[in-house]
Amino acid sequence: QQQVKQSPQSLIVQKGGISIINCAYENTAFDYFPWYQQFPGKGPALLIAIRPDVSEKKEGRFTISFNKSAKQFSLHIMDSQPGDSATYFCAARKAGNMLTFGGGTRLMVKP
Amino acid sequence: NAGVMQNPRHLVRRRGQEARLRCSPMKGHSHVYWYRQLPEEGLKFMVYLQKENIIDESGMPKERFSAEFPKEGPSILRIQQVVRGDSAAYFCASSLGERTDTQYFGPGTRLTVL
Repeated sequence: QQQVKQSPQSLIVQKGGISIINCAYENTAFDYFPWYQQFPGKGPALLIAIRPDVSEKKEGRFTISFNKSAKQFSLHIMDSQPGDSATYFCAARKAGNMLTFGGGTRLMVKP
Repeated sequence: NAGVMQNPRHLVRRRGQEARLRCSPMKGHSHVYWYRQLPEEGLKFMVYLQKENIIDESGMPKERFSAEFPKEGPSILRIQQVVRGDSAAYFCASSLGERTDTQYFGPGTRLTVL
């Protein structure tokens, strides 16, 4: 059973545009929602994370929007750059500390 | 400050052989997690360990897979009698404490079973 659903699977954005990736979860016990960025051949690297008691968190060009009632959260990348081209994973954590990952979004930013 | 280290980075095994994957957590981290990533898929949790203890192994296949995190030395993920379906990238992550949110990932071991 997939507990975190991520969309789209792939995304193409022009340089300078906004990249938006969405995730939905089912388990209300999740209490921490990180986003990871993964380049080919590398391990995932933490990008930004949010807790369900806030609706938005911004760090530089990256913003997480969180909708607790809808059980949805999204990543917005403003002013997308070719260097942002990577695979992005949303995840959710509950007590016990393991992360449940979404299926990933392959982002390509065209120059 | 070295990050999470994994070795080998690439491992090729023939069907029926054993694969041993090693993970050294970040300095000061005592919690280790193993995840598996199949091609074009997200990461799937396998096992969560602290020093000398398995905390949660709900994601581990019931047979052929085992993990340990001894008092001294790296964490080891062992796969016995490998099959082609075991071909994947195996990632290790570590965290400072049980309720510390951030898990830091290593570069992964890419296992290919011929």
